[in-house]
Amino acid sequence: GQNIDQPTEMTATEGAIVQINCTYQTSGFNGLFWYQQHAGEAPTFLSYNVLDGLEEKGRFSSFLSRSKGYSYLLLKELQMKDSASYLCAAYSGAGSYQLTFGKGTKLSVIP
Amino acid sequence: SQTIHQWPATLVQPVGSPLSLECTVEGTSNPNLYWYRQAAGRGLQLLFYSVGIGQISSEVPQNLSASRPQDRQFILSSKKLLLSDSGFYLCAWTGKNIQYFGAGTRLSVL
Repeated sequence: GQNIDQPTEMTATEGAIVQINCTYQTSGFNGLFWYQQHAGEAPTFLSYNVLDGLEEKGRFSSFLSRSKGYSYLLLKELQMKDSASYLCAAYSGAGSYQLTFGKGTKLSVIP
Repeated sequence: SQTIHQWPATLVQPVGSPLSLECTVEGTSNPNLYWYRQAAGRGLQLLFYSVGIGQISSEVPQNLSASRPQDRQFILSSKKLLLSDSGFYLCAWTGKNIQYFGAGTRLSVL
């Protein structure tokens, strides 16, 4: 089976740095995705980690440790528009490219 | 470039009525296609996926069904809606291992 855990809510200050953690227990793990979802909208792709280490994309970075079943999303120089839910999803690597999603972390950025 | 279209954006239906949601993808061929549901305060739940025309895999037993009559068309249906079918329905496709989502349909069953 698949199990994805991430905090339900987080609050951070504009301009600060925030780290959103995700732990997973899956069979046949082959990668970890992060998506951003603003209220009432569809999720949008942020990052995809296959190998251990840090992937950086502008203000957003994502880290993966396959041996620990752990990932985090790092958001720097927070802006008010970063207030959203952040979804962690594990990819099983089967031919159907199925993802198992966590319940999401609702991030509130305050002035 | 590839785009995914999903409609309608919102839908209000009475209990017991039928449902048909449509999703189409442009700019790619033979995509993997998915239907998800997101209930209020809950995570994304995979309902169906398809790896080709006429090929449907169901992840959760329920009163919903899916069909793929054409390569880039994926349809979610129900003969009789239940109150518990309310939620945000999302269609997605896979390109280069990444899943991309349509804009979603917010369904309210009253």
